[in-house]
Amino acid sequence: GEDVEQSLFLSVREGDSSVINCTYTDSSSTYLYWYKQEPGAGLQLLTYIFSNMDMKQDQRLTVLLNKKDKHLSLRIADTQTGDSAIYFCAESPNNAGNMLTFGGGTRLMVKP
Amino acid sequence: NAGVTQTPKFRVLKTGQSMTLLCAQDMNHEYMYWYRQDPGMGLRLIHYSVGEGTTAKGEVPDGYNVSRLKKQNFLLGLESAAPSQTSVYFCASSRDRGYGYTFGSGTRLTVV
Repeated sequence: GEDVEQSLFLSVREGDSSVINCTYTDSSSTYLYWYKQEPGAGLQLLTYIFSNMDMKQDQRLTVLLNKKDKHLSLRIADTQTGDSAIYFCAESPNNAGNMLTFGGGTRLMVKP
Repeated sequence: NAGVTQTPKFRVLKTGQSMTLLCAQDMNHEYMYWYRQDPGMGLRLIHYSVGEGTTAKGEVPDGYNVSRLKKQNFLLGLESAAPSQTSVYFCASSRDRGYGYTFGSGTRLTVV
């Protein structure tokens, strides 16, 4: 079955770049997503990338996709304390309708 | 535009009690989902619906039932609550593949 893996924790200093990594197993995934969860809140869609793209940039966010290695990353430039949250990647396998499979989440802590 | 609304936000149940969690969306989305989030486990899909009147089992359906009598509402029922069902429950909806999910803010349920 599908399995999405993320590291549990990342700590960076304010102003540095953050890179959150994710590996997935289902090569049929058409879309891959990044969600952000702030304390006590639901998940908020940050960005997504189609499987036929290598990179997508949206302001401070850059998503890189390496399909060969089934590796997805989210880079946050100029990380701010407001970026402290849990970040989830998710895949949408082609044979799973609209179901998403989520990783376990990476907790990003930004130190002033 | 409220998006996805979950009620209640918090609940404490005694073992064996029953309850219903309500999810309502005002975006005319076809797909709706119920997830539970537990520490270190990420999000796990309980049940989902691909349209009014339809429901299907997800990854962890045991002990839960759902109904989708109206397109905008998706109800999650616990017939006989157990301490293992202590969790944060999230409802989500989506329009179609590729659009990602819109999440509610969650219901924190404690079963004692």
